[in-house]
Amino acid sequence: DAGVTQSPTHLIKTRGQQVTLRCSPKSGHDTVSWYQQALGQGPQFIFQYYEEEERQRGNFPDRFSGHQFPNYSSELNVNALLLGDSALYLCASSFGQGGAEAFFGQGTRLTVV
Amino acid sequence: GQNIDQPTEMTATEGAIVQINCTYQTSGFNGLFWYQQHAGEAPTFLSYNVLDGLEEKGRFSSFLSRSKGYSYLLLKELQMKDSASYLCAVRGADSWGKLQFGAGTQVVVTP
Repeated sequence: DAGVTQSPTHLIKTRGQQVTLRCSPKSGHDTVSWYQQALGQGPQFIFQYYEEEERQRGNFPDRFSGHQFPNYSSELNVNALLLGDSALYLCASSFGQGGAEAFFGQGTRLTVV
Repeated sequence: GQNIDQPTEMTATEGAIVQINCTYQTSGFNGLFWYQQHAGEAPTFLSYNVLDGLEEKGRFSSFLSRSKGYSYLLLKELQMKDSASYLCAVRGADSWGKLQFGAGTQVVVTP
């Protein structure tokens, strides 16, 4: 049983570019949440998708957007990249919005130069 | 808003016990989670508390006091592989899915 998978694992982009990160949830899970984790910090909630809609959003600008597909997989898009967007981006999946356990993927390390 | 505090770093000897404290201030509460994260890896789920008391799972135990806004994670019989960051996260009453994380406690296990 595959857990949460994310792609790519590492990415280098130039300031001003756009990036798309992908996430496939754990089998049987229907809810996907995205987090940004800066070095030495805890993950910060970006947004959550359930039934193909954004249900909750953290304190992130509109440059951060996402999508959930009918198969529950999800994408995170970041436009007009800034140097400060360099971080580990984590996807977490769970069953239902209030699932007791959230499983994290291995993350995508994004470096903006 | 929510504020979650945990110590930055703790050091302990192999075979010993370490207790990681977490205090939180939230507008509501719907569960407290502990995750383990090794450097460069994804956080892995350790425990979930929603009611007061102690939850034991092998060498790891987690305690919650909702009235005090306090939790701890107890690691017993420490092993070298337990060297990692331990993240405390709270789910507020108005945020079914959103987890608010502390900055993490780096545990260093020495021989």
